[in-house]
Amino acid sequence: AQKITQTQPGMFVQEKEAVTLDCTYDTSDQSYGLFWYKQPSSGEMIFLIYQGSYDEQNATEGRYSLNFQKARKSANLVISASQLGDSAMYFCAMRPPYSSASKIIFGSGTRLSIRP
Amino acid sequence: DTAVSQTPKYLVTQMGNDKSIKCEQNLGHDTMYWYKQDSKKFLKIMFSYNNKELIINETVPNRFSPKSPDKAHLNLHINSLELGDSAVYFCASSLGGNEKLFFGSGTQLSVL
Repeated sequence: AQKITQTQPGMFVQEKEAVTLDCTYDTSDQSYGLFWYKQPSSGEMIFLIYQGSYDEQNATEGRYSLNFQKARKSANLVISASQLGDSAMYFCAMRPPYSSASKIIFGSGTRLSIRP
Repeated sequence: DTAVSQTPKYLVTQMGNDKSIKCEQNLGHDTMYWYKQDSKKFLKIMFSYNNKELIINETVPNRFSPKSPDKAHLNLHINSLELGDSAVYFCASSLGGNEKLFFGSGTQLSVL
């Protein structure tokens, strides 16, 4: 069975510093995908970044990058130059190999607070 | 143009009532989902529909009945509401069974 673990329930970071949010996963599949979503206090779920298990390079999207270490089964989110607007819940998620019955599962989330 | 829209945004009701949440997506996606987010922010999949066919039903009480009249719509009807049903319910859609999810804005359900 697949599992996603986020071990940091909450983090405080100074504005403009970089921050790493941890995510480890457990799967016996060779093909899978990893996502990060942001949920600000307004409640909506915002897609940030995606990494496929066969992607050779770490994914990047603007200030977001995904530090993918396949052997360690980790997919940490790195936010460079944090901003006050980055304060939110962050969820790591994983998809299994494709099938019509596949489902994306989520970790328990990390609440990130940016200090001015 | 909202990609995934769900209504209502807030739903406050008494125990024992029946209520529905509606969801529509204009992205041309073929797969739609209901997720439940509890008070600890944990997100759990409830149902998944692919081309109007129920694909995933995650041990949800049968008081919850999803209905997909077409690929663009997925509604959730809840009978005999209980206090434990209070949560945020998210509709989501994707192109294919496991591409990234596009979420609606959520429905905050409060059962009194």
